[in-house]
Amino acid sequence: AQSVTQPDIHITVSEGASLELRCNYSYGATPYLFWYVQSPGQGLQLLLKYFSGDTLVQGIKGFEAEFKRSQSSFNLRKPSVHWSDAAEYFCAVASYNQGGKLIFGQGTELSVKP
Amino acid sequence: EAGVTQFPSHSVIEKGQTVTLRCDPISGHDNLYWYRRVMGKEIKFLLHFVKESKQDESGMPNNRFLAERTGGTYSTLKVQPAELEDSGVYFCASSQVGGQGATGGLHFGNGTRLTVT
Repeated sequence: AQSVTQPDIHITVSEGASLELRCNYSYGATPYLFWYVQSPGQGLQLLLKYFSGDTLVQGIKGFEAEFKRSQSSFNLRKPSVHWSDAAEYFCAVASYNQGGKLIFGQGTELSVKP
Repeated sequence: EAGVTQFPSHSVIEKGQTVTLRCDPISGHDNLYWYRRVMGKEIKFLLHFVKESKQDESGMPNNRFLAERTGGTYSTLKVQPAELEDSGVYFCASSQVGGQGATGGLHFGNGTRLTVT
């Protein structure tokens, strides 16, 4: 069955520290991979996506993610976290021909300490 | 441009009552999607409209849920009668194109938080 796992429900990092949020997927076909962020009271905003090509993708707000097929992972990273990055982060997967039908992970809530 | 708008932002109803959620997609977006997040669980796909037609409703949990999109503009999602397990956040999303294009171009609303007591 297709699934996405985000092992960390809640992570706390200090402002200025580096961040890595983990995402593992189980998908039969070549996956399209996404990271979304939801700030309090807001909708989901797309941070970045991977369809093909370079396995290191850059997104908005200084985030990047690396696709590792051998590990079925698509971890999100940021070298220096800002207090405004506190939010919930969702990894998602979709297939080529299923358009907007996304399969989401359970989400990782990020807290940032001053 | 205005984003995807959902009404109401919060709704508290009693078990057995009816609730109707509304989604106004971005103007010109033919594709409209409903997703739901039940407390503590992942966000799950409910259904997909292309204009006024249901393209995929494989995620609808049961026949207490009815989605419509008359005229291919706004959409409503009615829950009748509501049960406790229907509590959660209901998200709407829209995109201009379908297929691969939709995948990377989804615009989400802020969601409606539904609480059934």
